[in-house]
Amino acid sequence: DADVTQTPRNRITKTGKRIMLECSQTKGHDRMYWYRQDPGLGLRLIYYSFDVKDINKGEISDGYSVSRQAQAKFSLSLESAIPNQTALYFCATSDLHDPGGSGYTFGSGTRLTVV
Amino acid sequence: GENVEQHPSTLSVQEGDSAVIKCTYSDSASNYFPWYKQELGKRPQLIIDIRSNVGEKKDQRIAVTLNKTAKHFSLHITETQPEDSAVYFCAASKGGSNYKLTFGKGTLLTVNP
Repeated sequence: DADVTQTPRNRITKTGKRIMLECSQTKGHDRMYWYRQDPGLGLRLIYYSFDVKDINKGEISDGYSVSRQAQAKFSLSLESAIPNQTALYFCATSDLHDPGGSGYTFGSGTRLTVV
Repeated sequence: GENVEQHPSTLSVQEGDSAVIKCTYSDSASNYFPWYKQELGKRPQLIIDIRSNVGEKKDQRIAVTLNKTAKHFSLHITETQPEDSAVYFCAASKGGSNYKLTFGKGTLLTVNP
């Protein structure tokens, strides 16, 4: 089935380390997003991309960077991880045309712990 | 930018009762309002949505209402069942269903048998 895959599923890293979270999709969607989820804070947008050459900051982009390597791949990097970046990270995709109105498809999430 | 407020943060009901979750948004240009359900340890899943040209939409036991003048929208779940227990998120977008979404902080709904 067409889906959105995130790797790794879980990761523990040390403060100051560089880490990359990866997202790949087989849905053929143009648009991809990175959100982080914290208890009581909901889902907050980090970065989004509407096509390979388009990258946009979301509401909480500081400390993060992204790369859209191909239509199907969108990676999130933490250049120097800090403990308050401990969170559940979701990648999501949406179709430019979205004829069925199905909205976002979320990945399964990456639980990141920075110690 | 858009700001979405969601209330209550937690809601506990008895099985068979109704549950209502309310959201307000700040950007009058927003035109698409989805609701997502996230079960424990799972990814959020779209359960219902409404667009700004509609005041109400219903799908079996769930319904959403929109008041554009007041800039608020609500999720109504009737005849709640234990499997309705989850975190529910409202969201808003001004570009339709395929545009960036701004989410509320979520409501943890617990349905007690």
